[in-house]
Amino acid sequence: EAQVTQNPRYLITVTGKKLTVTCSQNMNHEYMSWYRQDPGLGLRQIYYSMNVEVTDKGDVPEGYKVSRKEKRNFPLILESPSPNQTSLYFCASSSQRQDLNTEAFFGQGTRLTVV
Amino acid sequence: AQKVTQAQTEISVVEKEDVTLDCVYETRDTTYYLFWYKQPPSGELVFLIRRNSFDEQNEISGRYSWNFQKSTSSFNFTITASQVVDSAVYFCALGSNFGNEKLTFGTGTRLTIIP
Repeated sequence: EAQVTQNPRYLITVTGKKLTVTCSQNMNHEYMSWYRQDPGLGLRQIYYSMNVEVTDKGDVPEGYKVSRKEKRNFPLILESPSPNQTSLYFCASSSQRQDLNTEAFFGQGTRLTVV
Repeated sequence: AQKVTQAQTEISVVEKEDVTLDCVYETRDTTYYLFWYKQPPSGELVFLIRRNSFDEQNEISGRYSWNFQKSTSSFNFTITASQVVDSAVYFCALGSNFGNEKLTFGTGTRLTIIP
């Protein structure tokens, strides 16, 4: 089954304690992205990657890091989380091929609370 | 810069009524993609449709239909004979001329179907 898997689904942490949210896809997609969803703001892109070792900032990258060492994985790292990073996070992947590029597949979401 | 506007924050209709969700977009790209996603109360994002900028044909899928008008930069979504299961937040999104590596989302419309 084609899927994007995020872990954990729920996380409560304290300010300043480094954390990583993992994302893995099994569709051999080139593109992967991270979004955050906040009430009244919709989804905003944090970072994206167009292939292994190729990453770029999205609209709201401050306070986040990413890496793309393998094609299937795209972890999101918060080095020093702050309460304003409390949000619902989604990982997405999609194909570079135009004939397959029908949709972005989203993970189930990670609800992060920073206290 | 790309922008998607969903002016309707919340809509409530009685079951079996028809409802239209509005989406207006801004882009300077000549090739772009438009999407609708559904987010039910469980939180996941469900892909509904993708339309590229060269295809202005309206689309119907069961009770769902989409009206794409380049002249007004709109991509509206109509649910006919609404059902309680249609209650969700609906997002319109705009993709770049490469496809899905970067999606710009609207702020969403919360649709409530009253039994």
